[in-house]
Amino acid sequence: QVQLQESGPGLVKPSETLSLTCAVSGYSISSGYYWGWIRQPPGKGLEWIGSIYHSGSTYYNPSLKSRVTISVDTSKNQFSLKLSSVTAADTAVYYCARLTPNWGLDYWGQGTLVTVSS
Amino acid sequence: SYELTQPPSVSVSPGQTARITCSGDALPKQYAYWYQQKPGQAPVLVIYKDSERPSGIPERFSGSSSGTTVTLTISGVQAEDEADYYCQSADSSGTHVVFGGGTKLTVL
Repeated sequence: QVQLQESGPGLVKPSETLSLTCAVSGYSISSGYYWGWIRQPPGKGLEWIGSIYHSGSTYYNPSLKSRVTISVDTSKNQFSLKLSSVTAADTAVYYCARLTPNWGLDYWGQGTLVTVSS
Repeated sequence: SYELTQPPSVSVSPGQTARITCSGDALPKQYAYWYQQKPGQAPVLVIYKDSERPSGIPERFSGSSSGTTVTLTISGVQAEDEADYYCQSADSSGTHVVFGGGTKLTVL
């Protein structure tokens, strides 16, 4: 069974960089599939942040592209998210997920709440 | 930027049929996916590739597609189906994931 688990600081100061990691178990990232980050502000809908392949190929949401970096570490079977220059608008539950070949999301992490506040 | 449009809310009585629509210009070319999200939980995939149902999802959940609109149908709605439902697809280039705004299903 594929499992994903997000980890990282739950509180980030404005203007700083948010950093999260998604550890994958039950499947080797090197075997294929894209892996992605999605976020959900409190009381609002889902927003795709970006996706990465094990080769390092990435796609980002155009609205966040200038601030987002997604990377992969196949040796640790995990991938990471960095979002720079955060503001209160970046406060959200952040999810990691696996993308199917046709860009659906079949396995999700439980999500982690990140609050941006001084 | 590309958008998927869903109604904000749908209400049905137990045992009735709920239909939630999702519209987008690229839907004739890209598959649609549906997720159920209950409060405090991660989304769960209930329909993939327009109309396929993952193992473990009840048969009362079905999906269909017609032109630029896809529909999630829940037949014989139960109280436990009350949740937010999101459609998701890709843009016409097939490189960017897009979500609909979500529909809150209320079971009266």
